[in-house]
Formats: sequence, C-alpha cells, structure tokens
Amino acid sequence: EIVLTQSPATLSLSPGERATLSCRASQSVNGYLAWYQQKPGQAPRLLMYDASNRAPGIPARFSGSGSGTDFTLTISSLEPEDFAVYYCQQRSNWFTFGQGTKLEIK
Amino acid sequence: QVQLQQSGPRLVKPSQTLSLTCAISGDTVSSNIAAWHWIRQSPSRGLECLGRTYYRSKWYSDYAASVKSRITINADTSKNQFSLQLNAVTPEDTAVYYCARLYCDRISCYAFDIWGRGTFVAVSS
Repeated sequence: EIVLTQSPATLSLSPGERATLSCRASQSVNGYLAWYQQKPGQAPRLLMYDASNRAPGIPARFSGSGSGTDFTLTISSLEPEDFAVYYCQQRSNWFTFGQGTKLEIK
Repeated sequence: QVQLQQSGPRLVKPSQTLSLTCAISGDTVSSNIAAWHWIRQSPSRGLECLGRTYYRSKWYSDYAASVKSRITINADTSKNQFSLQLNAVTPEDTAVYYCARLYCDRISCYAFDIWGRGTFVAVSS
C-alpha cells in the first residue's frame, strides 16, 4: 500500500498570506496525485488532479506541483473560505489518502 | 449537474450487514467514463477507499484488501444506483460512508469529482 504523509499537520496563517502544503508518498505515484478540501460536516471537494491540473470551478489561487514522491499544494493568497482540512490522494496503486493538513486562521 | 443521493440505516448491530445505496442523477451508473466508489472516513482510519464498480463492456468490481472478504458493491441499472454491502461488521466499521464518482475519460481515470453527502453509520448493540 502506498502511504501518503502530509505536513504540517496544522498550519496557522492569516487571510492574504501564502499557504504551502506538502504530501510525500512512500513510493512514486507517477504524478497521479489529487488534492481535496474538506469543511466540517461536508464531503471532500476536488481541487487538483494529476498533481497540477485544477478541477473545474477551482480558483486560480490554488496551484499544485510535484512529481515522483513529493507534491505541493499552494494557495497564493488565502481567502476566509480557504480555512479547512486538505487531503492528498494517489491513484497509482489502488486509492489512498493522506491524513490531512488542517489550515486554521492565525 | 451530477448528484449522488445516499440512503440506508445509520445503526447496525455487530456481526450484521451494513447496507447503503447511492442513487445517481445527471449521469448513468453504466457510463463508460466513470467508476462508482464507496469511501469511508473515521478518526482512526482517515479516508479509506473501500471499493468500486464500473462498466466497460461488462461489469467489474474491485475491493480494498482490508475489506475484500466482507464487501460487495453492485450496480442496479434499472434504478440508476449502486450499493454497498459490508458483512460481519464490528465497531471498527463505524464511520461516515461516502459514495463518489471517479471521473474518467477514454484514456484514464483521474479523481473523485462528485461525492454524496455522507452517511454516518454506527456499529453498536
């Protein structure tokens, strides 16, 4: 099983700041990595797929990068609605998710 | 607009069978460019993909190794829905259960773009 490790567990930032979230895979996932946002009481929402492709309707302040085992989700300038939990997920070998990064207001 | 509507009991006794249904609107369960998944979320196990069903000239089902001996996912084309059955449940199966669409095209499958709202299922006597 491919294990995804996200860091940091919690990220405290202010609106307008830049957020950088990391996801490391236990083996190469060939770029087949997605990012999701989840707010309390809601299902996850797809943000990015295949590392750097924004899903339809996702604002341009969200971007993704990486390859092999190391991936990054960047939010260029945080809006109040961006504070949530973010998960990475790979589809290279079955489907597994990271444990999440909580982005909280500082 | 594709939507997934989940239904099923929210309380199941240990050793019994957990059964959930996901009704699809705006898409078809027999689509050649989708797969239909069940995913659960719990504090102890996080987000866990349990399995899927999909149609590519015939029906396929794939399951996670962790539940393979206990799970069945089926499609019902007459009702445009798919279902989850998880047998011999224990309290460790207590979780929020989601159905989700894996978006595909003719080349590959990509990510879970549509989700149901989730059903919290408690396993307790």
